[in-house]
Amino acid sequence: QEQLVESGGGVVQPGGSLRLSCVASGFTFSAYGMHWVRQTPGKGLEWVAFKRFDGSNEYYADSVEGRFVIFRDNSKNTLYLQMSGLRVEDTAVYYCARRQWDVQGEYFDLWGQGTLVTVSS
Amino acid sequence: EVVLTQSPGTLSLSPGERATLSCRASQGVASTYLAWYQQKPGQAPRLLIYGASSRATGIPDRFSGSGSGTDFTLTISRLEPEDFAVYYCQQYGRSVWTFGQGTKVEIK
Repeated sequence: QEQLVESGGGVVQPGGSLRLSCVASGFTFSAYGMHWVRQTPGKGLEWVAFKRFDGSNEYYADSVEGRFVIFRDNSKNTLYLQMSGLRVEDTAVYYCARRQWDVQGEYFDLWGQGTLVTVSS
Repeated sequence: EVVLTQSPGTLSLSPGERATLSCRASQGVASTYLAWYQQKPGQAPRLLIYGASSRATGIPDRFSGSGSGTDFTLTISRLEPEDFAVYYCQQYGRSVWTFGQGTKVEIK
C-alpha cells in the first residue's frame, strides 16, 4: 500500500525553527519528485516547495523562499522540510505529496495525512 | 504566477442534482497541467481529475473535467451523499504550482 506519513509538527515561537519529515512506503521513493503543500486553518491549499526525484533541483513559493529548505534522503525514503524564521502566517497543516508527471499531466497523486505547525508566542 | 479563481465559492445542491464548478486562470494554462482535487473535513486532498479531463484511478464516472486555455470546469453529473466536500483546481507552470481557493459543495 502506497503511503506518506508526516511528522515533526508542533508549537513554535515566531522566529523559531522546525523540521518536518515525510516517510514514504509502498513505492519506489527515489523515482518520484516530492512536494510540500500547506493549508491554513479553514483556508485553502498553498504549494510550498518541490524537490526533484534525484535531489538535483528544488523550487519554492515566494512566501517561504530563503526561510525554508526542502531536502530528501532516498536511502531512508524520507522527505524533509527545514523551516526557520517562522512567522505566525506559517501556521498551517503541512502535507507532503507525490508528484506524478507523464504525457497525460502534472499533478499530485498521493498525499500524506498532514502535520500541524502552529507559530505562536 | 498564474492565479486560479474558482466559482462559485459555495454551491448548495441536493443529492441527485448536477454540480458545475468553474476554475478560471489569469493566463493560459496547458490542459496537461490542470488538475482537480476533492477534500473532506479532516482529510487530505484526493486527486479526482488530471490533464483537465482524465479521471484518476477509482474515481466514479459521474465526475468529469473539461476546458482549455483559461476556463476549466468540473462537473458532477448526479451528486451522491459522499460528494459533498470542497473542490480545488490546481495548475503547474514555470516551476510554480498554484491552487484555486476552492468551491464548497454543500447539501441544500
